[in-house]
Amino acid sequence: QQQVKQSPQSLIVQKGGISIINCAYENTAFDYFPWYQQFPGKGPALLIAIRPDVSEKKEGRFTISFNKSAKQFSLHIMDSQPGDSATYFCAAPRVPNNDMRFGAGTRLTVKP
Amino acid sequence: EAQVTQNPRYLITVTGKKLTVTCSQNMNHEYMSWYRQDPGLGLRQIYYSMNVEVTDKGDVPEGYKVSRKEKRNFPLILESPSPNQTSLYFCASRNRDGTNQPQHFGDGTRLSIL
Repeated sequence: QQQVKQSPQSLIVQKGGISIINCAYENTAFDYFPWYQQFPGKGPALLIAIRPDVSEKKEGRFTISFNKSAKQFSLHIMDSQPGDSATYFCAAPRVPNNDMRFGAGTRLTVKP
Repeated sequence: EAQVTQNPRYLITVTGKKLTVTCSQNMNHEYMSWYRQDPGLGLRQIYYSMNVEVTDKGDVPEGYKVSRKEKRNFPLILESPSPNQTSLYFCASRNRDGTNQPQHFGDGTRLSIL
């Protein structure tokens, strides 16, 4: 069964710091790698996604870095804020149904 | 407002008592799926549906049933619930054209099977 390995499981960062979450995947059907953000009591929501024809994508304080040869990608949150405290999931495409397989999640806590 | 609606949001029940969790989306999405979320395991797909009357198993389908009689609805059925099905469940939908379409999730259903 294809795996998506996400680390760390939990992360505590001071306000203003950089949060980094990593993901590694196995072979996929095609290239599209999203990150989802989940607040307590809510479902996950798409945060940012990348197609690896580029090695990096930035949207505001959130950046995805992608290393296709290593089959790894990471989420960087710059100037982390308490409002960023949430659970983050990476995902990677899978065969055969072209759906997404999710990582185990990272619970991020940003301390004021 | 575009949304995926699940009901109930919370349910405590007993082993063996059949239950149904409803899911409805108003975005005219062809693709719908069910996930369960457990600590340390992330989101695992239970079943998915590419369109009306087309369903297939995900990674953890044992003990669950689904049906897709209408495009907007995708209920999850537990015929004989057991304690190991205690979990947080999410329904999701997206456009069918390509996996690079964001999935829209409901707000979840927390099931406790005693």
